[in-house]
Amino acid sequence: QSALTQPPSASGSPGQSVTISCTGTSSDVGGYNYVSWYQQHPGKAPKLMIYEVSKRPSGVPDRFSGSKSGNTASLTVSGLQAEDEADYYCSSHAGSNNFVVFGGGTKLTAL
Amino acid sequence: EVQLVESGGGLVKPGGSLRLSCAASGFSFSSYSMNWVRQAPGKGLEWVSSISSGSSYIYYADSVKGRFTISRDNAKNSLYLQMNSLRAEDTAMYYCARSREGGTKVGMDVWGQGTTVTVSS
Repeated sequence: QSALTQPPSASGSPGQSVTISCTGTSSDVGGYNYVSWYQQHPGKAPKLMIYEVSKRPSGVPDRFSGSKSGNTASLTVSGLQAEDEADYYCSSHAGSNNFVVFGGGTKLTAL
Repeated sequence: EVQLVESGGGLVKPGGSLRLSCAASGFSFSSYSMNWVRQAPGKGLEWVSSISSGSSYIYYADSVKGRFTISRDNAKNSLYLQMNSLRAEDTAMYYCARSREGGTKVGMDVWGQGTTVTVSS
């Protein structure tokens, strides 16, 4: 069982917006502004899409945005494109003991 | 080009040992914290271990604590993971990943392609 809870799947039509949630506790998501999101296509290495809750690394389209409220973080993909079909994982800093925890992942499908 | 290349994976019997390596290039390796993250077949990502730039700070997941040892050689631009007392549940793709400036809690922005570890009799 993963430390952070994500829905197993999410979907939307091309052009629509889709939001993926990531629920933790006050010891991880709620306690730090250190939530990251990763995109992973089949057979490929993960790619950092969002860091520090809402910041985008250089080269990541601005269609991807992140937010947090309490113990739940969210990733929103606006204007969904076929190439956005992938697995998405959230992660959070969790203090000096657990340090980094991941969510179980969400498979995003463009219908 | 910024690059991480893992090696050292393979088939090992339960209770056995394996040493993974990660060769870094294209960036100032000694300035960044580094990490190992694994992914069991068909499963999600699991953080394994992190080491600060100068090896002063080291962290492990509970699932590997006491069995795995992370280390680095900044002169050789290399990261290592010594894995002992291996179990079937350690079977996974092991990724080497660079932390963003600011440390691992800020995210991991460069990933290798992974090396496969299979623990089976």
